[in-house]
Order: sequence, then C-alpha cells, then structure tokens
Amino acid sequence: QVQLQESGPGIVKPSETLSLTCKVSGDSFGYYSWTWLRQTPGKTLEWIGYIIYTGTAIYNPSLGSRVTLSIDTSNNEFSLDMQAATAADTAVYYCAREGNYLDRWGQGILVTVSS
Amino acid sequence: DIEMTQSPDSLAVSLGERATINCKSSQTLLYSVNNHNYLAWFQQKPGHPPKLLIYWASTRESGVPDRFSGSGSGTDFTLTISSLQAEDVAVYYCQQYLSQVRTFGQGTKVEIK
Repeated sequence: QVQLQESGPGIVKPSETLSLTCKVSGDSFGYYSWTWLRQTPGKTLEWIGYIIYTGTAIYNPSLGSRVTLSIDTSNNEFSLDMQAATAADTAVYYCAREGNYLDRWGQGILVTVSS
Repeated sequence: DIEMTQSPDSLAVSLGERATINCKSSQTLLYSVNNHNYLAWFQQKPGHPPKLLIYWASTRESGVPDRFSGSGSGTDFTLTISSLQAEDVAVYYCQQYLSQVRTFGQGTKVEIK
C-alpha cells in the first residue's frame, strides 16, 4: 500500500524559502503524477502543481514563478520550494499521488510563515 | 481556471436521512473523446487529509460504503449520502481534474441534526 509522508520546517520566516519533501513508499514513480496542494486556515484547498518522473512539472499560475518542484527517483521522494514566503502561505501542505485523480494523500504538514 | 461552486455551504441531516450536496462547474467537465466527467468527491474529517470517495463523477473508490453515490454530467453534479451515519460528519469537497490547473469547491460541512 502506497504511503506518502511530508517533512520540513514547521515555521518559515517571511521572505525566506519554504521547502518541503514528500517521501513515497510502496509505489513506483513511473505511473503517476506527484502533486503538492495546500489548505489555508479557512479550509480552502489549493492545487500547487505536479511533477512526473522525467522531472517535467506543471504549476498553478496563481503562484507565479515562486514555486519549483523537483523529484529524486532514486530516493523515492519529491520536493517543493516556494520562494519569498509571506503570511498568506501559512497553510497545511499536502503531497498526493494522481493517476487521473488524487487517490492517495500524505497526512499533511502545517507550515507557519512568521518572524 | 475552472471555478467550482458547492451548495449548500453546510447542512444538518438526521441520522438515517438523505444528505445531498451539489457542485457546479464554470465549464463542462465532460470530455467528449472518452465520455468521462472529470469530477471527484472527497471527504475530510478534522485533522485528516481529504479522502477520495468518488471519481469520474460516479465511480465509488474501493472500500467506500455504497450509501455514497455520485451523479451528474457536464457542469452539474451531486453527491448523495443515502442514509447518514454518525461517522459521515465531515466536510465534503468536489474537485475537477479536466483542466491542467485542478480546482476545488469551497466545501460543504455535513452535521447531524
């Protein structure tokens, strides 16, 4: 059974880079898109983007050029970097697997942007 | 982006009664090439990630009780809980995966009356 686990700092200072990693166990990277999403304190769900095993990534244009996704197939993990963090980036961040639909999610990690 | 709008924002239903949640998309989610509606439903309980209930608008995910059903096509969709159980108290989200940028509805909170 596939499992996904987010990791990273729970607090990030404003203007710094928010960096998270998702470790995938029990699955192969080749068949799916690997996705990041976030959920704000008001509970809105926002899709950030996805990456596939080749390293090709698709991003939500609403986040501009602040987001970079990367993938490490040898270690079964993929990562999110979000530059110039602001308080508006405070959210629970989820990684997830997508075939056509999002069928497996990590437990989520709360990231607070605060000085 | 495709905008997803759910109604109502919240509803209270008696145990054993039917709960109905609506979801409307700003563009059709029906892809004519394969005749699939690119619409999923999720259930989220406090402190947990969203859990996939329904995909392709009406296909139940493995292990999901058959009291959950999805219907609709094009731009109008419905999630029905035929007989509400206490463990169904949660927030429910619809999500489209037709466009490159995936989008979610704002959520519907289901409570016990």
